[in-house]
Amino acid sequence: AQSVTQLDSQVPVFEEAPVELRCNYSSSVSVYLFWYVQYPNQGLQLLLKYLSGSTLVKGINGFEAEFNKSQTSFHLRKPSVHISDTAEYFCAVSEWNNNDMRFGAGTRLTVKP
Amino acid sequence: DAGVIQSPRHEVTEMGQEVTLRCKPISGHNSLFWYRQTMMRGLELLIYFNNNVPIDDSGMPEDRFSAKMPNASFSTLKIQPSEPRDSAVYFCASSPRLAGHEQYFGPGTRLTVT
Repeated sequence: AQSVTQLDSQVPVFEEAPVELRCNYSSSVSVYLFWYVQYPNQGLQLLLKYLSGSTLVKGINGFEAEFNKSQTSFHLRKPSVHISDTAEYFCAVSEWNNNDMRFGAGTRLTVKP
Repeated sequence: DAGVIQSPRHEVTEMGQEVTLRCKPISGHNSLFWYRQTMMRGLELLIYFNNNVPIDDSGMPEDRFSAKMPNASFSTLKIQPSEPRDSAVYFCASSPRLAGHEQYFGPGTRLTVT
């Protein structure tokens, strides 16, 4: 079965700095990859997803992620963060033949002024 | 579209009481997922349904937990009897039954068992 590892549980950064949140996955078959964001006291919202094609995927709020098959990674990046980006970010994977999604443990991004 | 609807948003109950959480998926979605989120264990998949049929309930912690989906527009997660360690935020999510499609999450039910 598929699994996801988010390498950093917490990432503090200053406002307007770049950020990268790391995600590695494991699966024996082709996968689809997702990043979700969770703001305080809310459910998860989709940021972006990779299904096929270009390995660089752009999402909402200026985020992007790059699928690297050889390194089994799907890191999330933003060139300049805002205070409002403070949230929990989850990487998720599902296999090509089903919609059973597995989530990572989450990374808490804290943007400081 | 109203999105995934969960009720109640908050529930406080005493140990030993029965708790029922409710979920209405997005119309047309035929997969439904129940998750539990805690600080200690993160986001855990409890059970999911395809076309109202439970597919994988291996995440249900113990027999005190049960879930049903009597029709395509309604699901319940029941805990009987409840215990303090059940305190968590419970999320319901739905999606079309299509590989590669994202899940849409409800706002969650915050359960506190005293």
